Amino acid sequence: DAGVTQSPTHLIKTRGQQVTLRCSPKSGHDTVSWYQQALGQGPQFIFQYYEEEERQRGNFPDRFSGHQFPNYSSELNVNALLLGDSALYLCASSSDFSGEEETQYFGPGTRLLVL
Amino acid sequence: AQSVTQPDIHITVSEGASLELRCNYSYGATPYLFWYVQSPGQGLQLLLKYFSGDTLVQGIKGFEAEFKRSQSSFNLRKPSVHWSDAAEYFCAVVPNFGNEKLTFGTGTRLTIIP
Repeated sequence: DAGVTQSPTHLIKTRGQQVTLRCSPKSGHDTVSWYQQALGQGPQFIFQYYEEEERQRGNFPDRFSGHQFPNYSSELNVNALLLGDSALYLCASSSDFSGEEETQYFGPGTRLLVL
Repeated sequence: AQSVTQPDIHITVSEGASLELRCNYSYGATPYLFWYVQSPGQGLQLLLKYFSGDTLVQGIKGFEAEFKRSQSSFNLRKPSVHWSDAAEYFCAVVPNFGNEKLTFGTGTRLTIIP
């Protein structure tokens, strides 16, 4: 049973560029959440997608956007990159119908470095 | 404001010794509670969770946690640590049913000495 997968594993961008990160949820899961983890910090919630719609959003600017596809996979897009966007970006999946609705399973993350 | 506090930034224990990592939360009602572990450069692995019922929950890798409503705490314990337990540990909460936004503490880094 494949867990949550993310790509790429590492990424280097320069300020002002745009980046797209990808996530495939665990088999059977239909909900994808994205988190940003700065160095030495706990993960911070960016947003959550369910049924191809953004269901919740954390305190992140509109430069952060996302998408969910019919197969439940998801993308996180960040425009106009800032140095402060350098972080580990974590994707988590869960299911509203699995019997453990509030349990999120995390992928390995994408390490983004903005120069 | 709702929050999760992990008072210990860094803990060092000897291999074979017991371990307790502290977590306190501040919410209007009892949230759902989780402990995750993160090895260097890795994602988060779920250790255990508490939704309701028995306040002592068992998890993977020999970990357990006890929910104490009166203290708003959910401390993680292990009777005998192994060198492979060295990692960052995060306590997290979901405030109410239907809201899956996880709020994390700042983490506790565990170092194991031989």
